[in-house]
Amino acid sequence: SQQGEEDPQALSIQEGENATMNCSYKTSINNLQWYRQNSGRGLVHLILIRSNEREKHSGRLRVTLDTSKKSSSLLITASRAADTASYFCATNQGAQKLVFGQGTRLTINP
Amino acid sequence: EAQVTQNPRYLITVTGKKLTVTCSQNMNHEYMSWYRQDPGLGLRQIYYSMNVEVTDKGDVPEGYKVSRKEKRNFPLILESPSPNQTSLYFCASSYLFSYENSYNEQFFGPGTRLTVL
Repeated sequence: SQQGEEDPQALSIQEGENATMNCSYKTSINNLQWYRQNSGRGLVHLILIRSNEREKHSGRLRVTLDTSKKSSSLLITASRAADTASYFCATNQGAQKLVFGQGTRLTINP
Repeated sequence: EAQVTQNPRYLITVTGKKLTVTCSQNMNHEYMSWYRQDPGLGLRQIYYSMNVEVTDKGDVPEGYKVSRKEKRNFPLILESPSPNQTSLYFCASSYLFSYENSYNEQFFGPGTRLTVL
């Protein structure tokens, strides 16, 4: 079953604006990861946040994790056309199983 | 270059004709996994392997087989494909999860688009 639920399902913004995507999950996790997928291609790992971390940065990406609310958010600042893609959160359950959400489709308009 | 490769990238076949999708990684990862991606359903895990000769079912294993005879290869076998197995398939690999490092980002192959007529 898909534990991660991304919100919104689709997001369209202007280039230069910030994009925020949210992910909710149901059970306890070891870590939460965000991946990007360009149309029809393989997923690319963006960032991993451990369950004892609250915020993490990587370049223009900022991820927050609230384990009390079982939710995470991904913020992309100063968006670019190349950021157009689908974004998935994935939660690590147990030793090795990654469970992916259905993704947020982000479109950056020039 | 560190990568996961899959072959073929595209395949159109007919119901019942056995096929194999190969997956190979050159990063010495212990863990490998197969997913299928369908519109509205996201990625669902088919099978995974934590090391050579160790495989386990994921969420949607019916109609699929796998083997892990070598560390680098993890083929996906469809003994008798059916139209409901038309999908986009991804192979992925990672190091084994370590809580101290939490270092288990998965590396994905480019995908295999399978159509079963």
